[in-house]
Amino acid sequence: DTAVSQTPKYLVTQMGNDKSIKCEQNLGHDTMYWYKQDSKKFLKIMFSYNNKELIINETVPNRFSPKSPDKAHLNLHINSLELGDSAVYFCASSPSRQGIETQYFGPGTRLLVL
Amino acid sequence: KNEVEQSPQNLTAQEGEFITINCSYSVGISALHWLQQHPGGGIVSLFMLSSGKKKHGRLIATINIQEKHSSLHITASHPRDSAVYICAVSSGTYKYIFGTGTRLKVLA
Repeated sequence: DTAVSQTPKYLVTQMGNDKSIKCEQNLGHDTMYWYKQDSKKFLKIMFSYNNKELIINETVPNRFSPKSPDKAHLNLHINSLELGDSAVYFCASSPSRQGIETQYFGPGTRLLVL
Repeated sequence: KNEVEQSPQNLTAQEGEFITINCSYSVGISALHWLQQHPGGGIVSLFMLSSGKKKHGRLIATINIQEKHSSLHITASHPRDSAVYICAVSSGTYKYIFGTGTRLKVLA
């Protein structure tokens, strides 16, 4: 059973479109994260939710809106996609918000904006 | 300048060599993590350290809190160790701050 799953795995779309990426974890964790990995492989946190509550919102354009319907799901909606949004987006989860725990990563969603 | 720096950025080794990857950080941390990202893209957590040393198979991770430095060692390296190794720190809160990664290639 996949611990942290993301859909879709690949996403190719035109500039200006709106798209969503879904993430689900079956580990019973309280905290979930979205990370962006750029073309140079540098990972940066975007958002974190703890029990459906937003706890981290880094300086991400407000075209990006996370939604957590329950603590097992954290979806990422992106409006008006731009070329610079092309990246790999990773979802992750951890048991709590302590910051000293191992995070479990999803397989990533490769987004290409044309 | 990144708060977490890794060296080297790229490393090519022959199978069987002993490999060391370094990580230095400039912030107070609650823990340091070593992650492995395979060519297929998946990210796996290897170690979480807050002091001392941990060993798992051929991998050894050490941390020196006073010097704000950690090393990841791979003994008897193998081509399947080829991956990007990423150092990340948990700094006070619940988020990771990532290093830029070390791309390792082990040749047969």
